[in-house]
Amino acid sequence: GNSVTQMEGPVTLSEEAFLTINCTYTATGYPSLFWYVQYPGEGLQLLLKATKADDKGSNKGFEATYRKETTSFHLEKGSVQVSDSAVYFCALRDNFNKFYFGSGTKLNVKP
Amino acid sequence: DVKVTQSSRYLVKRTGEKVFLECVQDMDHENMFWYRQDPGLGLRLIYFSYDVKMKEKGDIPEGYSVSREKKERFSLILESASTNQTSMYLCASSPGTLDEQPQHFGDGTRLSIL
Repeated sequence: GNSVTQMEGPVTLSEEAFLTINCTYTATGYPSLFWYVQYPGEGLQLLLKATKADDKGSNKGFEATYRKETTSFHLEKGSVQVSDSAVYFCALRDNFNKFYFGSGTKLNVKP
Repeated sequence: DVKVTQSSRYLVKRTGEKVFLECVQDMDHENMFWYRQDPGLGLRLIYFSYDVKMKEKGDIPEGYSVSREKKERFSLILESASTNQTSMYLCASSPGTLDEQPQHFGDGTRLSIL
């Protein structure tokens, strides 16, 4: 069946460090891929998305590229800020409108 | 912007009570979802609905039911609340089309069962 696997956290970085959060997926057909961010005490907010192979989603300095050959959608940011501290979820939407979420990766950015 | 509104941010109830969690969306979305979120377990799908009066079980439906009498409103019901249902509950909605649209989430309801 379909599934999403993302790296376990927490990930702790210093401000201005480079961020990578790994995400791989298993799916039949042609899923759409998403990254969500959850700040403390809030719901999930869409961060970026990609709908087909080789698409790059980007928002607020974050990027992720839909790699069909490696079934991956890794999240990257060149220089993190303290305000980026949150939990990040990778997700896919399959061809039947069903969503699958990874378990979340907590990011702590220290000043 | 899509707005998904959950009726309560925090709720405290007692064991055995019948509990209603309400969710309303303002974008005419066909699909609505209820998840619970627990530390280390990520998001788990309880129930979802693809249309008015339609419902389907998710991964953990036991102890819950849902109601969708109107398109914009999706209610989660705990028939007889138990302490293991203490959790963060998240409602989401999405369009019904197959056009790669994401889910939009409410701010969540943190429910404590005493």
